[in-house]
Amino acid sequence: DSGVTQTPKHLITATGQRVTLRCSPRSGDLSVYWYQQSLDQGLQFLIQYYNGEERAKGNILERFSAQQFPDLHSELNLSSLELGDSALYFCASSPPRSGNEQFFGPGTRLTVL
Amino acid sequence: QKEVEQDPGPLSVPEGAIVSLNCTYSNSAFQYFMWYRQYSRKGPELLMYTYSSGNKEDGRFTAQVDKSSKYISLFIRDSQPSDSATYLCAMRATSGTYKYIFGTGTRLKVLA
Repeated sequence: DSGVTQTPKHLITATGQRVTLRCSPRSGDLSVYWYQQSLDQGLQFLIQYYNGEERAKGNILERFSAQQFPDLHSELNLSSLELGDSALYFCASSPPRSGNEQFFGPGTRLTVL
Repeated sequence: QKEVEQDPGPLSVPEGAIVSLNCTYSNSAFQYFMWYRQYSRKGPELLMYTYSSGNKEDGRFTAQVDKSSKYISLFIRDSQPSDSATYLCAMRATSGTYKYIFGTGTRLKVLA
């Protein structure tokens, strides 16, 4: 158990819908990272937040957005969902000044029908 | 061409064998290299982290970086059935952001 929690574990929804994925980092970690893992693309970095502020952006679609709250938990919002958005979504956190040590949560499996 | 290439496997070896897992990359700016292990339906777990070239050892695991060839390796000695998992390499440049590029992973099966 990494100490990073993610909810829900599974999510099944329809195309065009909007969902919110939630992540709680390990105690003391200030950074949160979101990744998407699909069979054909592997693990893709989406976005990083550090202590509430956006720090780095990867291949995140405009339909997707994220934020980190004052209690350091983070949410990833996915809207206008398409079939191709079906994937595992992972959140990771890292200690202050040690972004190379990323601890991953168990993931949320999103299925878009 | 992807920035990071990794043979998807599966790689099947007998218990006790030495396993070699590899990644090649194209971006010469990459300086930080990591190896993750991912069991089925679980999140990736950090195994090794190295900076620049050279070797790093941790128990049965050795990470090797050859920047001149843009090639990194993870060796597992005395492999065990519990090592059966997908192994992901990841790397980044020293741009100040922790934006790692991951390989697609190699699936390893260690047969008892």
